[in-house]
Amino acid sequence: GQSLEQPSEVTAVEGAIVQINCTYQTSGFYGLSWYQQHDGGAPTFLSYNALDGLEETGRFSSFLSRSDSYGYLLLQELQMKDSASYFCVLNNAGNMLTFGGGTRLMVKP
Amino acid sequence: EAQVTQNPRYLITVTGKKLTVTCSQNMNHEYMSWYRQDPGLGLRQIYYSMNVEVTDKGDVPEGYKVSRKEKRNFPLILESPSPNQTSLYFCASHEGGGNTEAFFGQGTRLTVV
Repeated sequence: GQSLEQPSEVTAVEGAIVQINCTYQTSGFYGLSWYQQHDGGAPTFLSYNALDGLEETGRFSSFLSRSDSYGYLLLQELQMKDSASYFCVLNNAGNMLTFGGGTRLMVKP
Repeated sequence: EAQVTQNPRYLITVTGKKLTVTCSQNMNHEYMSWYRQDPGLGLRQIYYSMNVEVTDKGDVPEGYKVSRKEKRNFPLILESPSPNQTSLYFCASHEGGGNTEAFFGQGTRLTVV
């Protein structure tokens, strides 16, 4: 089967940089995605890595290393509105999406 | 506007009373899924569908049924709800073929008493 591990909570201050790590186990997958979910809201798509390396989208970047079964989401210039839960997600070979347990990010002033 | 619509948003029901949560998408996506979200457990997949009349079990299918008679609709059916099915439910759709951006409905908060 597939499984993903990510820290349950991370705290950082406004303006800082934070990295949320994700390790996974899978027998085959198309890529690794990241989703953001604010309390009471639906998950929304942030980024996707099909290939190894870094993908940048504004203040957010995501990285994938298939050889290490590892990825991360990097958030720069943190803002209070970035306080949310972040999920790493495997897009599996059967086009199923498997979610990690989520990392709750708290941004403090 | 691309969207996934779930109804109802909130539902309180009694044990054993059959209910259906509807889900509809307007993006002509082939893949649709149902998830439940419980504190500390992330999103767990209940069922998914790869196309009309093609469905398969996810990680936690017990106590649930689905159907996919039309491409746009993917209802979730609880034939005999129990209190352990109290949860927040999300429907999602995505294009497939490696394109992984999934679009989620607003969620349905279900309480079974």
